[in-house]
Amino acid sequence: KNEVEQSPQNLTAQEGEFITINCSYSVGISALHWLQQHPGGGIVSLFMLSSGKKKHGRLIATINIQEKHSSLHITASHPRDSAVYICAVRLDRGSEKLVFGKGTKLTVNP
Amino acid sequence: GAGVSQSPSNKVTEKGKDVELRCDPISGHTALYWYRQRLGQGLEFLIYFQGNSAPDKSGLPSDRFSAERTGESVSTLTIQRTQQEDSAVYLCASSLQLAGLPDTQYFGPGTRLTVL
Repeated sequence: KNEVEQSPQNLTAQEGEFITINCSYSVGISALHWLQQHPGGGIVSLFMLSSGKKKHGRLIATINIQEKHSSLHITASHPRDSAVYICAVRLDRGSEKLVFGKGTKLTVNP
Repeated sequence: GAGVSQSPSNKVTEKGKDVELRCDPISGHTALYWYRQRLGQGLEFLIYFQGNSAPDKSGLPSDRFSAERTGESVSTLTIQRTQQEDSAVYLCASSLQLAGLPDTQYFGPGTRLTVL
């Protein structure tokens, strides 16, 4: 079993829909990252969080430390949101290693 | 200011040859990371540098892989005697990493390595 599991693996939505991507992890962490990988391959860091909730524009990320679960929400989705969204965790064992989920491929149709 | 840059953007090499990949982090960023992404696969951690501390090499897949960083500047990832399974996009990221706390990582565009 992978230490970081994302669901769904693929997601297709219509423009305007509310999107939720989930990430569950099985290890102790000091932080969780949400990354966006564009079709061209470039990676952008969206959020880094260790507790609670963060919001940036139409994006919201939440984390529940007790349940070892995080969600990434996109409100009023747009075709330009189409990308692969990757969850990654920084382990709490004193290592800087990030462990990555396999990603969720989101396609937003106009 | 400029973001993280990597060179070359693409590299095609023959099996058995050595390759060097370069990463220029954002100025002032003390932490630097190398990752690998094979086709259709997720990202894999390779190595981490923080200031003058000993690097975390726990992700390097074999002794054919090595990396260096001069101070808090340029890093070079070297793959010796390349194999076809080394074909991947190699990504570099840097972060400010004040006081050893987790910090946002800024990714470079990657180097696509193809081993024939």
